[in-house]
Amino acid sequence: GAGVSQSPSNKVTEKGKDVELRCDPISGHTALYWYRQSLGQGLEFLIYFQGNSAPDKSGLPSDRFSAERTGGSVSTLTIQRTQQEDSAVYLCASSLALGGPTYEQYFGPGTRLTVT
Amino acid sequence: GIQVEQSPPDLILQEGANSTLRCNFSDSVNNLQWFHQNPWGQLINLFYIPSGTKQNGRLSATTVATERYSLLYISSSQTTDSGVYFCAVFSSNDYKLSFGAGTTVTVRA
Repeated sequence: GAGVSQSPSNKVTEKGKDVELRCDPISGHTALYWYRQSLGQGLEFLIYFQGNSAPDKSGLPSDRFSAERTGGSVSTLTIQRTQQEDSAVYLCASSLALGGPTYEQYFGPGTRLTVT
Repeated sequence: GIQVEQSPPDLILQEGANSTLRCNFSDSVNNLQWFHQNPWGQLINLFYIPSGTKQNGRLSATTVATERYSLLYISSSQTTDSGVYFCAVFSSNDYKLSFGAGTTVTVRA
């Protein structure tokens, strides 16, 4: 079956522009997570969704970051007024649910964002 | 949040050698996963192992939850085993995977 997919795979944008990153989770997975990986910070958690709800947005780096999920499936991570420190690989993961063995997370290939 | 420490940070092996990677974590966890990040950046699931021992081919893992550590064993290493190995733990207190800094493994032919 299909895994987690993300688009675009690469995005180069100018400082100050807005970008949208997309994640398609594994079919039937109700939980979805966003992480980012950068050289200086390693892998850091950003936000999770249970269904369409994101109960805790405190992991988002600043108010320029927002995320939504619709129909319990596709999610978009939006970064407004991008800055050079936003350059990183943004990873999406999904899991069957939020409980027991269903916690196991599966990751997409990531979107490499470069802000020039 | 939960702190995750991995050791060693770097490991160079000759093809055919065996090795052990370690992951220590600072608090009780609901889930522990081992990943291999390939040269293209994809995180490949190796093990979901909150406790006990599992084996998958030349790889095996053991988690001792009461002592807050996990070990990943690579036997008869191959060049394709090269990459970064991450340990990550999950707590239902905050519903996130906390990652260690990784162990970079280089297997030489």
